[in-house]
Amino acid sequence: DAGVIQSPRHEVTEMGQEVTLRCKPISGHNSLFWYRQTMMRGLELLIYFNNNVPIDDSGMPEDRFSAKMPNASFSTLKIQPSEPRDSAVYFCASSPQVGRIIYEQYFGPGTRLTVT
Amino acid sequence: TQLLEQSPQFLSIQEGENLTVYCNSSSVFSSLQWYRQEPGEGPVLLVTVVTGGEVKKLKRLTFQFGDARKDSSLHITAAQPGDTGLYLCAGGGNYGQNFVFGPGTRLSVLP
Repeated sequence: DAGVIQSPRHEVTEMGQEVTLRCKPISGHNSLFWYRQTMMRGLELLIYFNNNVPIDDSGMPEDRFSAKMPNASFSTLKIQPSEPRDSAVYFCASSPQVGRIIYEQYFGPGTRLTVT
Repeated sequence: TQLLEQSPQFLSIQEGENLTVYCNSSSVFSSLQWYRQEPGEGPVLLVTVVTGGEVKKLKRLTFQFGDARKDSSLHITAAQPGDTGLYLCAGGGNYGQNFVFGPGTRLSVLP
């Protein structure tokens, strides 16, 4: 079974450009998470979806960031306009949440974003 | 906002030694997880603990969840170079609310 798929794996863009990161969760998982990882701030939860509905977006840095999950097999994270401080590795993770407990998350390989 | 602290931040030991890393919070968590992350990859789940006082073993790794569900420890027996990596604890409230990761313990096991 394929794991979480993210694309692109690497993205280099200039400040002010729009960036779209994509994620395909593991089939059958009903929860999806977007994270950002930097050396300074560690792994930060940006947004969490359950059954395609955003549950917690308190980690989204500002209005330049937006995330969608139009169906159970696809999600996007968009940054518009991008800034150099957005440079980080962005991870998508999915989980087979059971009831009120998130038992496990499976992470994708990440997208390394560099904004110059 | 729930926060997780991990200690030590860095740990370098010789192969064969034992070690314990800690994950602490002032908040109660519904569940707590431990992950290991290697360079260039995403974190990989090691274990989930749910019940206060729970102890789980995974080969040479022993995980414990505090009675009050505010802290956890990971003990590695006879560490091996393959144990090298970033160890992250993570937890949240009910239905994933306020899910957070700790800053991690970076472990290096020297042959």
